[in-house]
Amino acid sequence: QKEVEQDPGPLSVPEGAIVSLNCTYSNSAFQYFMWYRQYSRKGPELLMYTYSSGNKEDGRFTAQVDKSSKYISLFIRDSQPSDSATYLCAMSSGGYQKVTFGTGTKLQVIP
Amino acid sequence: SAVISQKPSRDICQRGTSLTIQCQVDSQVTMMFWYRQQPGQSLTLIATANQGSEATYESGFVIDKFPISRPNLTFSTLTVSNMSPEDSSIYLCSVEGRGGRDNEQFFGPGTRLTVL
Repeated sequence: QKEVEQDPGPLSVPEGAIVSLNCTYSNSAFQYFMWYRQYSRKGPELLMYTYSSGNKEDGRFTAQVDKSSKYISLFIRDSQPSDSATYLCAMSSGGYQKVTFGTGTKLQVIP
Repeated sequence: SAVISQKPSRDICQRGTSLTIQCQVDSQVTMMFWYRQQPGQSLTLIATANQGSEATYESGFVIDKFPISRPNLTFSTLTVSNMSPEDSSIYLCSVEGRGGRDNEQFFGPGTRLTVL
């Protein structure tokens, strides 16, 4: 079993839809959770950073962490064609521990 | 966030040769990281490079194959040695964030390597 599981997609949605991207994990020591957006032929760009359980909102993006279920989500409201990218979840237990990444979900927002 | 550049952005190389990838940051950082990203797979950490010390390699990666230099706080190189087609991948460098948040990392644009 992989430490972090992420559905690779692709996920196609119409413009304006609410998008839900998810990851599950097995390591209960993880407490720092991140979402990266990666456009084609570019490096990953940090979107959201959260610590422990709860929600964090930034504009159209909301990150949600449920440590009891070992489940994290990224919601995108009013999705735009410019949101079309691969979204990577990432997590770590902190300190000098390495970051573990999901395989990424490819999202396409259709105009 | 830091501004990170990598050279080359892409290359096509012959089997058995070596390629050195450069990573330049616009500010001083203690920790730099080198990752490999293969299609359909998650980012895999190759090694962590701290200035003034030997790089720390992850399981499955060895210094003879992926020698790393870290001569100062803004620059690092990764060499992919004696390449084979299995080394075809995107290689990414990243740096720690400066905001004090644990494990926050910022990535360069990547180097797309194809080995024939």
